[in-house]
Amino acid sequence: DTAVSQTPKYLVTQMGNDKSIKCEQNLGHDTMYWYKQDSKKFLKIMFSYNNKELIINETVPNRFSPKSPDKAHLNLHINSLELGDSAVYFCASSPSRVLTEAFFGQGTRLTVV
Amino acid sequence: DQQVKQNSPSLSVQEGRISILNCDYTNSMFDYFLWYKKYPAEGPTFLISISSIKDKNEDGRFTVFLNKSAKHLSLHIVPSQPGDSAVYFCAASGGSGNTGKLIFGQGTTLQVKP
Repeated sequence: DTAVSQTPKYLVTQMGNDKSIKCEQNLGHDTMYWYKQDSKKFLKIMFSYNNKELIINETVPNRFSPKSPDKAHLNLHINSLELGDSAVYFCASSPSRVLTEAFFGQGTRLTVV
Repeated sequence: DQQVKQNSPSLSVQEGRISILNCDYTNSMFDYFLWYKKYPAEGPTFLISISSIKDKNEDGRFTVFLNKSAKHLSLHIVPSQPGDSAVYFCAASGGSGNTGKLIFGQGTTLQVKP
């Protein structure tokens, strides 16, 4: 009974392709996030949604577009994939935007070849 | 501009002894600090947190200490167990317009030897 689940777990694709990563949480949380862990293992926030409203948009290329159809889902779509996009992407959720004990999904390892 | 730093990339401790993981931050606006534990191929798992109005928070074998004047926090694990072997991330949040964004350190890999 996974709290935050993201699919797929592994994604290998060619440069220039468009891909999506899906995330769902069953915790009833209001806030969801996308974090990126790069090759140096730094975890950095990309986006945050609160009740389907975008509240954080860090300096991320326009090729990355989050979509939140409802507060339990936050998907990440990436256009025109580049080699530098290879990383592990983590979805997370928290009860609210001020309660920051975020619960993380298991991660999606994206490899662009 | 790394606002949260974990200067020790790795730490090795004998089972049963104390593990001390350190974290420094630069932004005095941070008012909430968290520790996460991460096993390979899994997402980070929340471990323990502390508000800036406290200097200590304890949960079982885990204690977090906060020294605001030094902008330093530490995680103590006593006694350490082999199952504690993982990467530990320190994180901070807060400041004006708090959006729940977590700023993470780069992690410390803890190895507990049996």
